[in-house]
Amino acid sequence: DQQVKQNSPSLSVQEGRISILNCDYTNSMFDYFLWYKKYPAEGPTFLISISSIKDKNEDGRFTVFLNKSAKHLSLHIVPSQPGDSAVYFCAASVGSNSGYALNFGKGTSLLVTP
Amino acid sequence: GAVVSQHPSWVICKSGTSVKIECRSLDFQATTMFWYRQFPKQSLMLMATSNEGSKATYEQGVEKDKFLINHASLTLSTLTVTSAHPEDSSFYICSARSIEAFFGQGTRLTVV
Repeated sequence: DQQVKQNSPSLSVQEGRISILNCDYTNSMFDYFLWYKKYPAEGPTFLISISSIKDKNEDGRFTVFLNKSAKHLSLHIVPSQPGDSAVYFCAASVGSNSGYALNFGKGTSLLVTP
Repeated sequence: GAVVSQHPSWVICKSGTSVKIECRSLDFQATTMFWYRQFPKQSLMLMATSNEGSKATYEQGVEKDKFLINHASLTLSTLTVTSAHPEDSSFYICSARSIEAFFGQGTRLTVV
């Protein structure tokens, strides 16, 4: 049962525009959310996270928004750059404790065109 | 940031042989490490949780006798795929968390 869902398998955006990647979750116990970027044949790289006590977290060009009532989060990349082209995974866990595994969505493949 | 190192990055083995994959946390102590498996165009699926000094916890459907996990120290966990078959071919990734989870580079296993 997929508890974290990324319903858009792919997204294409022009360089300089905003990329918005969406993620939904079903487990109301999740209270810590993360976004990872992944290239083929490599491990995921951490991008940004958000705790359920917040509704927004910003780090440079990356902003994550959390809507707890809708069980929805999104990652905004502004401005998008060709180097952002990769697969983006949304992940969630119960707590930020090191003993809890992450639950991943299936990923969204982002292509940023020049 | 914290680094998790995984080795080897790729391996080809014959059916029936065993393959060991190592995962090391380089600059923090990881009481718990996680092993994931990724099929093409699919999500990262948690296989097992590796606990230092105790038995691993396996997810439903993962054969513990086939995927042996050893977490002998706070910086090293190993996954051994025993009696490998072609259907075990996949991308295996380990992870350790401080707060965020950090991932190894992954191991591409091909069983021929």
